[in-house]
Amino acid sequence: DTGVSQDPRHKITKRGQNVTFRCDPISEHNRLYWYRQTLGQGPEFLTYFQNEAQLEKSRLLSDRFSAERPKGSFSTLEIQRTEQGDSAMYLCASSLAPDRGGYNEQFFGPGTRLTVL
Amino acid sequence: GIQVEQSPPDLILQEGANSTLRCNFSDSVNNLQWFHQNPWGQLINLFYIPSGTKQNGRLSATTVATERYSLLYISSSQTTDSGVYFCAVEQGTGANNLFFGTGTRLTVIP
Repeated sequence: DTGVSQDPRHKITKRGQNVTFRCDPISEHNRLYWYRQTLGQGPEFLTYFQNEAQLEKSRLLSDRFSAERPKGSFSTLEIQRTEQGDSAMYLCASSLAPDRGGYNEQFFGPGTRLTVL
Repeated sequence: GIQVEQSPPDLILQEGANSTLRCNFSDSVNNLQWFHQNPWGQLINLFYIPSGTKQNGRLSATTVATERYSLLYISSSQTTDSGVYFCAVEQGTGANNLFFGTGTRLTVIP
């Protein structure tokens, strides 16, 4: 068990550019979550997948954001036309759902820190 | 969504001291987790504790689900305990995501 991994760890981009982040969950986990954390705040939920299906999306997830989990394993989060307000830490978490014998305890990756200039 | 409040917001301790962090939540929950966020931003799982009491070394936690609060106890604090402690809950109905409190920033001084 190597834990949740995220890539890249840091990303600096100019306003208006597109960025894509990747998350690799713990291998047997079937649920995957994306959260965003700004300075001084707790993480806020963006979206989550069970297997390859995207089941929930927060109102924070504007139409510039899109997430995929094409084969039910890794996931990508893309932000189009980035804005300075998108600067934050983007965190990925995974869990094993109760129907797979888990308790939905979530484990987090190290995050991707995005800076939009 | 559910409201999660943590207290105190900031705590400064001398090394070796004990402390209690509190988490209040506004509705019934399926799950409750405590995390430690280190200076690099990594969230480290401390406890999965929707109810009852658990202990792990110098840390212990108690959740009283019927009264909608949880406590995290840190004994004999060390400088490496410094960081932000978050309580996060999964609501009893609907979405499976975690709602986080605003955290308690702990600083342990030698």
